[in-house]
Amino acid sequence: EAQVTQNPRYLITVTGKKLTVTCSQNMNHEYMSWYRQDPGLGLRQIYYSMNVEVTDKGDVPEGYKVSRKEKRNFPLILESPSPNQTSLYFCASGLGGEYEQYFGPGTRLTVT
Amino acid sequence: GENVEQHPSTLSVQEGDSAVIKCTYSDSASNYFPWYKQELGKRPQLIIDIRSNVGEKKDQRIAVTLNKTAKHFSLHITETQPEDSAVYFCAPTLQGRYSSASKIIFGSGTRLSIRP
Repeated sequence: EAQVTQNPRYLITVTGKKLTVTCSQNMNHEYMSWYRQDPGLGLRQIYYSMNVEVTDKGDVPEGYKVSRKEKRNFPLILESPSPNQTSLYFCASGLGGEYEQYFGPGTRLTVT
Repeated sequence: GENVEQHPSTLSVQEGDSAVIKCTYSDSASNYFPWYKQELGKRPQLIIDIRSNVGEKKDQRIAVTLNKTAKHFSLHITETQPEDSAVYFCAPTLQGRYSSASKIIFGSGTRLSIRP
């Protein structure tokens, strides 16, 4: 089954404790990206990747890191999480930026 | 800078009536114009998209129209049904740092409610 998976689905952590949210897709897509969704603000792109080792900042990259060492995986790293990073995070993939994006199920992160 | 505006933010229509949501963008290099639907507690899913060489596209009760000169595109839903209740997002692809357009900016969303 073609899908995008994210782990964990729910995470409660404390300020400053490094965490990684994993994202994997099995559709051989070149384009992958991360979004955060906050009430009233829609989805905002954090980072995107056009291929292995090719990444660029989206609209809200501050406080986040990404890496794309393999085509199927695109982890999101919060090296020192803060409460303002409490949000719902979605990973997505597509053939390219100008194609349909397939979203993962979301990760609800709470930073206390 | 890049700007995407979506209107209205909320929309309530009688079942069976039509709904129209408009999205305005600022990047004239945009070539891909999708609409996503997000039901409560679920992930966004594409419902219809259009490319810049086409003015209109239709899929059953859903249509998208594009006015590239005015830099806006619209979602049209006819004969609305209760299952159309959701949040709808436009998400034009804008020019990224690399040569191909690759940055996606979502509109702030339209909450559509269908009254029985």
